[in-house]
Amino acid sequence: DQQVKQNSPSLSVQEGRISILNCDYTNSMFDYFLWYKKYPAEGPTFLISISSIKDKNEDGRFTVFLNKSAKHLSLHIVPSQPGDSAVYFCAASDGGSTLGRLYFGRGTQLTVWP
Amino acid sequence: NAGVTQTPKFRVLKTGQSMTLLCAQDMNHEYMYWYRQDPGMGLRLIHYSVGEGTTAKGEVPDGYNVSRLKKQNFLLGLESAAPSQTSVYFCASSYFNPSMTGEMRGYTFGSGTRLTVV
Repeated sequence: DQQVKQNSPSLSVQEGRISILNCDYTNSMFDYFLWYKKYPAEGPTFLISISSIKDKNEDGRFTVFLNKSAKHLSLHIVPSQPGDSAVYFCAASDGGSTLGRLYFGRGTQLTVWP
Repeated sequence: NAGVTQTPKFRVLKTGQSMTLLCAQDMNHEYMYWYRQDPGMGLRLIHYSVGEGTTAKGEVPDGYNVSRLKKQNFLLGLESAAPSQTSVYFCASSYFNPSMTGEMRGYTFGSGTRLTVV
């Protein structure tokens, strides 16, 4: 059973507007969450992360919000740019028990159109 | 630094043929992983290794074997390829310490191997 879920397989947003990508998880032992970005013909690359002791982390145009009570996190991209078009994977780690193994969602394809 | 290098980048196999995908990392990472990516299915873990000489099954191990004879290398083998194994394969490596934060808590991925079985 999937412990990390991204229920929207795709999202289309106009350039300059906000993109919001959502992720839900079931394992309350997850202590760290990461977002990866993947372009075609390339491997996933790290984008941004958040510890479970925080509720927000910001890096330039990218902000990740964590709602532990709802077991939900979201990635906000403001403003969205055509170069942001990629697949975004949400991942979670439960630290000690599995030596940092990551559990991935199925990804959301973001398309930013001019 | 090269990071994680996968060879080959592309391969076409006939049903029943065998092949080995090689993953090499130069970051002295303890842990290595093999994933496959299929449309709509995201990244699915095939096998992983928590150290030299150790391997373990992931979510979709059937039809694959792995070996980790050297710390820097993780090999994925297909003994008798099937069309269902047509996919993009990614190798990743990591080093875990609970005090690490940010990108260090994540994986470094290779650029992938696109395999087609006909």
